[in-house]
Amino acid sequence: KNEVEQSPQNLTAQEGEFITINCSYSVGISALHWLQQHPGGGIVSLFMLSSGKKKHGRLIATINIQEKHSSLHITASHPRDSAVYICAALIQGAQKLVFGQGTRLTINP
Amino acid sequence: DGGITQSPKYLFRKEGQNVTLSCEQNLNHDAMYWYRQDPGQGLRLIYYSQIVNDFQKGDIAEGYSVSREKKESFPLTVTSAQKNPTAFYLCASSIVRGSPLHFGNGTRLTVT
Repeated sequence: KNEVEQSPQNLTAQEGEFITINCSYSVGISALHWLQQHPGGGIVSLFMLSSGKKKHGRLIATINIQEKHSSLHITASHPRDSAVYICAALIQGAQKLVFGQGTRLTINP
Repeated sequence: DGGITQSPKYLFRKEGQNVTLSCEQNLNHDAMYWYRQDPGQGLRLIYYSQIVNDFQKGDIAEGYSVSREKKESFPLTVTSAQKNPTAFYLCASSIVRGSPLHFGNGTRLTVT
């Protein structure tokens, strides 16, 4: 079992829908990253969080340290949100990042 | 604008040849990283460097080599000893290890 698991692996939705992508981890972490990878391959860092919730535009990231779980939400989804979303856990002490396999999101117009 | 430049975007090589992937950053970051991405798998760390003239092996360093002679540059050489070199390679940097990463656009290497 991977230390970081994402679900779902693939998600297709209609424009305007509320999107939730989940990330669970099995180790102690000091922070969790959410990343976005566009079809060309480049990756952009969306959030780094260690507790609570962060919001940027239509994107919201939450983390529950006790439950070892984080979610990325997209409100009013748009086709330009179509990308692979990756969570990565910063392992406590080791300062090592462990990546989930990614969630491929497709938003249809 | 500051950022990370990887070149080339696509690279084709014959089996048995060494190949070097370029990574340059102008963000003044101390830490730099090389990751490999394969379909259906999370990114895996090949090598990282926390400071000039120092680098450490990651989880899958076998068949790869790096150098860090300048703060801005962290080239990766894929040697003929790497058994499955065909992959997407991503370079990243951060202010220090553990801080948010900035990624390049990647190099897709195909070895036949």
